[in-house]
Amino acid sequence: EADIYQTPRYLVIGTGKKITLECSQTMGHDKMYWYQQDPGMELHLIHYSYGVNSTEKGDLSSESTVSRIRTEHFPLTLESARPSHTSQYLCASRGQGRYNSPLHFGNGTRLTVT
Amino acid sequence: QKEVEQNSGPLSVPEGAIASLNCTYSDRGSQSFFWYRQYSGKSPELIMSIYSNGDKEDGRFTAQLNKASQYVSLLIRDSQPSDSATYLCAVNLYSGGYQKVTFGIGTKLQVIP
Repeated sequence: EADIYQTPRYLVIGTGKKITLECSQTMGHDKMYWYQQDPGMELHLIHYSYGVNSTEKGDLSSESTVSRIRTEHFPLTLESARPSHTSQYLCASRGQGRYNSPLHFGNGTRLTVT
Repeated sequence: QKEVEQNSGPLSVPEGAIASLNCTYSDRGSQSFFWYRQYSGKSPELIMSIYSNGDKEDGRFTAQLNKASQYVSLLIRDSQPSDSATYLCAVNLYSGGYQKVTFGIGTKLQVIP
């Protein structure tokens, strides 16, 4: 079972602040993903990475950015938070070399921008 | 057309009954399909993966795949109140040189005691 960790679990922050949502996994997975999900709504892929120094934007346009300097770490950054960024952010990873393996999710970060 | 389509429900079934959840997908080349369960406020957790046509059983859960009809379903036998959750269908799609997992909106299941 994949171990994937997200911090913080909850974050309330004011408009204009810079924030970084942390995501780490201990399974050596090369593929990592960020999804955004509003309450009662579907998951939308906002970023993904297929390895170190590889990042791509997902299907849903997002003002956030990501980096992948280490295999185990895939942080998401918002340079200037706005109320429209209020949502749940879910990080996931899948096995190396196993294209068909399922995603394993972290516990998520619930972000509220006031 | 959405890449993965599900009826959002809610689907209400009495305790002990069979719950049937359905999903269709648009990409004929898709090879991998997943069912996740998501409780309110929690992250999705994997129930089953299915890759070949036919049925795959795991305890009270049976996933069914029909690639010709681009249809995947999940049956939950002997439904329990603890099964009340949103069930997400996910499909591995090949797009722009990468493989991505796309989710349906999810079907909300309510098991009535």
